[in-house]
Amino acid sequence: AQTVTQSQPEMSVQEAETVTLSCTYDTSESDYYLFWYKQPPSRQMILVIRQEAYKQQNATENRFSVNFQKAAKSFSLKISDSQLGDAAMYFCAYSGYGGSQGNLIFGKGTKLSVKP
Amino acid sequence: ETGVTQSPTHLIKTRGQQVTLRCSSQSGHNTVSWYQQALGQGPQFIFQYYREEENGRGNFPPRFSGLQFPNYSSELNVNALELDDSALYLCASSLDSGTTDTQYFGPGTRLTVL
Repeated sequence: AQTVTQSQPEMSVQEAETVTLSCTYDTSESDYYLFWYKQPPSRQMILVIRQEAYKQQNATENRFSVNFQKAAKSFSLKISDSQLGDAAMYFCAYSGYGGSQGNLIFGKGTKLSVKP
Repeated sequence: ETGVTQSPTHLIKTRGQQVTLRCSSQSGHNTVSWYQQALGQGPQFIFQYYREEENGRGNFPPRFSGLQFPNYSSELNVNALELDDSALYLCASSLDSGTTDTQYFGPGTRLTVL
């Protein structure tokens, strides 16, 4: 069974600085998708970034980028120029490939605080 | 474009009762997935509905059941409520089943079982 592990329950970053959130996963599949979701205190889960395992290039969305290391089964999220609005729970998630494999497997999350 | 909506926002029930939660999918989406998020945990997959049929199920007992309607909205029903069912229930819709389509989440329903 696939698992997702986030080893940092809480992280803190100064406004305008950079922070990296860690995620490791376990799977025997070669094709899959990885995601970072953000859940602010208002609770609506928002997609931050998505990575297809068959792509070697790391995904980037504005201030958010990932470091995807397939062999190490590692998928970290880097937030540059942190803003107060980035404060939230961040969840790493895995999804298998094809057919009815569309369910997401989440880690336990990392709570990010941003200090002004 | 209307996003994913859920109702009600909050719900309080007593042990043994039954509850129905509702989800309206994003316009154009035919797939709805339901997740249970216990306090301090990541969401756990309950099941997925695709074109009105169950299309995958997580490790939840049969007292968790669902429906999807022709307009692709969905219901989650939980019978014989237990204290451990207290959680945030999230639904997510996607354009189609399978992993190539991003899931968009609703705001959730907070269920408290006393």
